[in-house]
Amino acid sequence: GQQVMQIPQYQHVQEGEDFTTYCNSSTTLSNIQWYKQRPGGHPVFLIQLVKSGEVKKQKRLTFQFGEAKKNSSLHITATQTTDVGTYFCAGRNFGNEKLTFGTGTRLTIIP
Amino acid sequence: NAGVTQTPKFQVLKTGQSMTLQCAQDMNHNSMYWYRQDPGMGLRLIYYSASEGTTDKGEVPNGYNVSRLNKREFSLRLESAAPSQTSVYFCASSAGSNSPLHFGNGTRLTVT
Repeated sequence: GQQVMQIPQYQHVQEGEDFTTYCNSSTTLSNIQWYKQRPGGHPVFLIQLVKSGEVKKQKRLTFQFGEAKKNSSLHITATQTTDVGTYFCAGRNFGNEKLTFGTGTRLTIIP
Repeated sequence: NAGVTQTPKFQVLKTGQSMTLQCAQDMNHNSMYWYRQDPGMGLRLIYYSASEGTTDKGEVPNGYNVSRLNKREFSLRLESAAPSQTSVYFCASSAGSNSPLHFGNGTRLTVT
């Protein structure tokens, strides 16, 4: 079955440093989504990427979808304490409603 | 706007007991999902329903059953709870395969 791996599992950064999490799928994806889960909360949708090589930005967050549509990354510039949480990627195969989540990267910020 | 509502928020069961987790959405979404979340393992799909009247297995369906009662409601049943089912359970809904998931607040289940 489809597998979606994420690295790293944990990341501790000083406030103001950059942060990147990487997502790799065992199969080609039709689209990939990114979610953020605050401690004690539920996952909240951030963005969806559909096209090969697509890059999208949301303020300090930059999302990329690989050319082969099998990998993706999320980069945060100049982290702030509000960025704390776990970031998940989630991928769909073509013609399938199933959304498979990656294992997540837990980001903690050292003030 | 309620979005996705899950009940109960917390539950403690003894091994062998049964229970049903309830989920309802008011966004007129076609697709609904049940995930479980365990430390270090992310969110794993238990069952999903692409439309009213259909259900399909996800990655970890053993020990669970689901019912898509109508377009709004999607319930998850544990017939004979086991300690391995101790987890946080999330229900989610989506308008379709190109749409984001909207999650409920989760149910924290402990099986002793």
